[in-house]
Amino acid sequence: NAGVTQTPKFRVLKTGQSMTLLCAQDMNHEYMYWYRQDPGMGLRLIHYSVGEGTTAKGEVPDGYNVSRLKKQNFLLGLESAAPSQTSVYFCASSYSYRDNQPQHFGDGTRLSIL
Amino acid sequence: GNSVTQMEGPVTLSEEAFLTINCTYTATGYPSLFWYVQYPGEGLQLLLKATKADDKGSNKGFEATYRKETTSFHLEKGSVQVSDSAVYFCALLNNAGNMLTFGGGTRLMVKP
Repeated sequence: NAGVTQTPKFRVLKTGQSMTLLCAQDMNHEYMYWYRQDPGMGLRLIHYSVGEGTTAKGEVPDGYNVSRLKKQNFLLGLESAAPSQTSVYFCASSYSYRDNQPQHFGDGTRLSIL
Repeated sequence: GNSVTQMEGPVTLSEEAFLTINCTYTATGYPSLFWYVQYPGEGLQLLLKATKADDKGSNKGFEATYRKETTSFHLEKGSVQVSDSAVYFCALLNNAGNMLTFGGGTRLMVKP
């Protein structure tokens, strides 16, 4: 059972380049999330989705876009990468908020913007 | 808005020592509280949770009690092992259930 899979694991970009991070989950979860992790700041929510075809802004959405065309996939896009977006990105998924279902995390994508 | 404050690390202990990692929160309503653990090179894993006041979450020898009067959810373990070395995150889930707010994380290093 793969759980939550993120691709790629590492990437180096130049300022202004664009890229898409892919998150896939095989647990039939409704909710999916994208976080960024920066030293000493914990994880901060970028965008999330409560179901196929829906997306919503989190705490730090600027400079990112997302799409949830299929229930199992949640894509995070950077249209014009900036050095401030150097971070480790984590995707997570959960059944729903009912019964306080825990979020399951992927192993992360380390992104460096030069 | 909601916020979570954890003690800064790193926390360095010898094997079999007692562990406490402090966590306090600010939130409206009645959030659920969580501890997540992150081992090197991996994503976060749920360690334990508590959904209402006075609940005690426990797992793998770790415990934390939801204290509404002190808005705290301190993590404890009676005897740590080298394998417990990781980063520990305290988090709260808002009433709407759509947003986890994390503390800054506390790195624990356990020496043999």
